[in-house]
Amino acid sequence: AQSVTQPDIHITVSEGASLELRCNYSYGATPYLFWYVQSPGQGLQLLLKYFSGDTLVQGIKGFEAEFKRSQSSFNLRKPSVHWSDAAEYFCAVAGVLTGGGNKLTFGTGTQLKVEL
Amino acid sequence: DAGVTQSPTHLIKTRGQQVTLRCSPISGHKSVSWYQQVLGQGPQFIFQYYEKEERGRGNFPDRFSARQFPNYSSELNVNALLLGDSALYLCASSLAEGAGGYTFGSGTRLTVV
Repeated sequence: AQSVTQPDIHITVSEGASLELRCNYSYGATPYLFWYVQSPGQGLQLLLKYFSGDTLVQGIKGFEAEFKRSQSSFNLRKPSVHWSDAAEYFCAVAGVLTGGGNKLTFGTGTQLKVEL
Repeated sequence: DAGVTQSPTHLIKTRGQQVTLRCSPISGHKSVSWYQQVLGQGPQFIFQYYEKEERGRGNFPDRFSARQFPNYSSELNVNALLLGDSALYLCASSLAEGAGGYTFGSGTRLTVV
């Protein structure tokens, strides 16, 4: 069964500093990987996704992520954090259901705080 | 274009009661999935429906059930509510049953007292 580990529960960075959020996955085949962001009381917004091809994926809001098969990682990065980036970030891997569909398995999330 | 719409946004129920949550997918999307997000945790998969058929079920008790209607909207029902059912319930829609792209709604916050 697939799983996702986000080792950092909380991260605090200063505005303008760079950011890296870690994600490790476990999946038997080539994974479909996602990063979502969730603001308080809101649903999940897709930042970026990796299916195949170029291992460096660009997303919205200036985020990027790099897929490293050898390390089973899909870390999220941003060169310069803005105060509005404060939110909770979830990494997810897609898995096939026996009925033919797909489900997402999420990590426990990383809460990002931005200091002004 | 309207996104994924969920209703109600907030709900308070008493233990033992039953609740129905509703979801309208993005126009043209035929797949709807339901997730439960307990405070401080990541979302957990409950159900996926595609073309009105159940495609998969997560590790949830039979008190949880769902269905999808001909217009692709969906309902999630939870019977005999427990305190532990208090959570944010998220609906996600996609064009097909694959994982190509899920769009999530803002969720229904269920509180069981």
